[in-house]
Amino acid sequence: GDSVTQMEGPVTLSEEACLTINCTYTATGYPSLFWYVQYPGEGLQLLLKATKADDKGSNKGFEATYRKETTSFHLEKGSVQVSDSAVYFCALSYSGGGADGLTFGKGTHLIIQP
Amino acid sequence: NAGVTQTPKFRVLKTGQSMTLLCAQDMNHEYMYWYRQDPGMGLRLIHYSVGEGTTAKGEVPDGYNVSRLKKQNFLLGLESAAPSQTSVYFCASNRRGREVDGYTFGSGTRLTVV
Repeated sequence: GDSVTQMEGPVTLSEEACLTINCTYTATGYPSLFWYVQYPGEGLQLLLKATKADDKGSNKGFEATYRKETTSFHLEKGSVQVSDSAVYFCALSYSGGGADGLTFGKGTHLIIQP
Repeated sequence: NAGVTQTPKFRVLKTGQSMTLLCAQDMNHEYMYWYRQDPGMGLRLIHYSVGEGTTAKGEVPDGYNVSRLKKQNFLLGLESAAPSQTSVYFCASNRRGREVDGYTFGSGTRLTVV
């Protein structure tokens, strides 16, 4: 079956540091890829998405590129802020919904220190 | 603009007690999902529904039942709670054919079974 693997944290960085959170996937078809963010005490929010190979998703200074050849969707940000502290989930899904829903990685806890 | 609303937000149950978690969405979405989130496990799909009157099992359905009598509501029931069901439960919804837009999540229900 499909699966998503992402680096486990916690990842601790200083403010203004560069961020990369690795995500790789195993899929039988051609999924859409997502990054969700969960701030403390809240639900998951869609951060960015990409629907096909070589697409780049971006939002709030975060970027991720859909790399079919390496089955990866790494999350990057050039300069992190304390407010970026959260848990980040990489996920995939297919069109059609139903049992596919979203397949999640285990999440990466990011801590940004002032 | 409520989106997905989950009630209650917190609950403590004794082993063997029953309860129902309510998920309500006001976006006219066809698809609805229940996930559980456990430390180091990411989110796992419990049950889902592709429309009013239909439900199906996800990855971890044992010990749970669901109903979708109205399109906007998706109920998750625990008939006889067990400590292993201590978790944070998230409801999500999506529009048929627009899975690439991402899923909308509720803010979660934190359940403790003692």
